[in-house]
Amino acid sequence: GAVVSQHPSRVICKSGTSVKIECRSLDFQATTMFWYRQFPKQSLMLMATSNEGSKATYEQGVEKDKFLINHASLTLSTLTVTSAHPEDSSFYICSAKTRDREGGYTFGSGTRLTVV
Amino acid sequence: AQSVTQLGSHVSVSEGALVLLRCNYSSSVPPYLFWYVQYPNQGLQLLLKYTSAATLVKGINGFEAEFKKSETSFHLTKPSAHMSDAAEYFCAVSEGFGNEKLTFGTGTRLTIIP
Repeated sequence: GAVVSQHPSRVICKSGTSVKIECRSLDFQATTMFWYRQFPKQSLMLMATSNEGSKATYEQGVEKDKFLINHASLTLSTLTVTSAHPEDSSFYICSAKTRDREGGYTFGSGTRLTVV
Repeated sequence: AQSVTQLGSHVSVSEGALVLLRCNYSSSVPPYLFWYVQYPNQGLQLLLKYTSAATLVKGINGFEAEFKKSETSFHLTKPSAHMSDAAEYFCAVSEGFGNEKLTFGTGTRLTIIP
């Protein structure tokens, strides 16, 4: 089945630095990638939707200059957390829409970001 | 607008007992409905989905869910709980092809009592 590889699985960074998270679709072309954020013991909140070759669409309240999304190819989307702060510490998950016309999605395994 | 309500943030059942996780949805159009399972520090795995075909949907690991339009519900069940079922379960809704954003419920943590 469709697989999305997400890296890194865990990252610790210092305040003020930037962190890049990658999601690759391994055996299919992901024209649309969704990026979620999940706080401990809470649900997933959609941050943005990216389409290959175009600018991402951000949800209300998400700072697009802080969370940079690039979807330059059909198999790779990246999320860069710029000038990270401790409040950015969270679990970030990507999800790609598969070619299944019945609304199938495949999720990455998530990235635990800790900003110290 | 679409939304999902999961009643019960924590559910505990004995091993071998029936599992019932509740999900009610709100959608302005016929919805697509999903149940996902999440193990600690991992992504989400699809258990099953409803996309306007049969109202009783069978998924992986013995789970199934029934779409009831009159009740706007999509409850998840499993006849006999196994220890490996302990995890976080999320119900999600989308408005289908053309509006594919998933809206998630707040999740239900399932604990299995030996």
